Amino acid sequence: EIVLTQSPDFQSVTPKEKVTITCRASQSIGSSLHWYQQKPDQSPKLLIKYASQSISGVPSRFSGSGSGTDFTLTINSLEAEDAATYYCHQSSSLPQTFGQGTKVEIK
Amino acid sequence: QVQLQESGPGLVKPSQTLSLTCTVSGGSISSGSYYWSWIRQPAGKGLEWIGRIYTSGSTNYNPSLKSRVTISVDTSKNQFSLKLSSVTAADTAVYYCAREDGWFGLFDYWGQGTLVTVSS
Repeated sequence: EIVLTQSPDFQSVTPKEKVTITCRASQSIGSSLHWYQQKPDQSPKLLIKYASQSISGVPSRFSGSGSGTDFTLTINSLEAEDAATYYCHQSSSLPQTFGQGTKVEIK
Repeated sequence: QVQLQESGPGLVKPSQTLSLTCTVSGGSISSGSYYWSWIRQPAGKGLEWIGRIYTSGSTNYNPSLKSRVTISVDTSKNQFSLKLSSVTAADTAVYYCAREDGWFGLFDYWGQGTLVTVSS
């Protein structure tokens, strides 16, 4: 099983600040890494696919990068509505796995 | 617009079988290259993939749950289902059904989730 480790677990950020979340895989997964946003009492929402590909309808301030074992989700100019928990997810091999999540709080 | 909706008992007794159904609307469960998955999330914790079924009926399960899980599909009702046997308190979680893109392996549509509590 591929283990995904996110850092940090928690981040408190002021609006308009830049947020960087990293996801490290226990073995190479190419670009088969996706990012989701989950707000309280909601189901996860797809943000980024295949490490860096944008999703229609997702604000352009969200971007992703990386390949192999190290990946990054960046939120440029954080807005209040971005308060949520962010998860990475690998689809390279079964069982599919998720990172433990990074909670982003707005100061 | 595809929509998924979970349904089933919110309370299950220990050692019994948890049964949930996901009803898909806005598209046929049989069309396209999609897997239909179950994912769960204990309160305050992360996401765990349970397993999936393809429209052909082929299944894949998480090895950690494989001995207790059965996922099936009813194309005539546009539904797929989850059965988890011999449940314990550790199976208490919000259960989501989701559509997985068969080409890209990502979950593009999710149900709203349903809380299942295991308690006597």
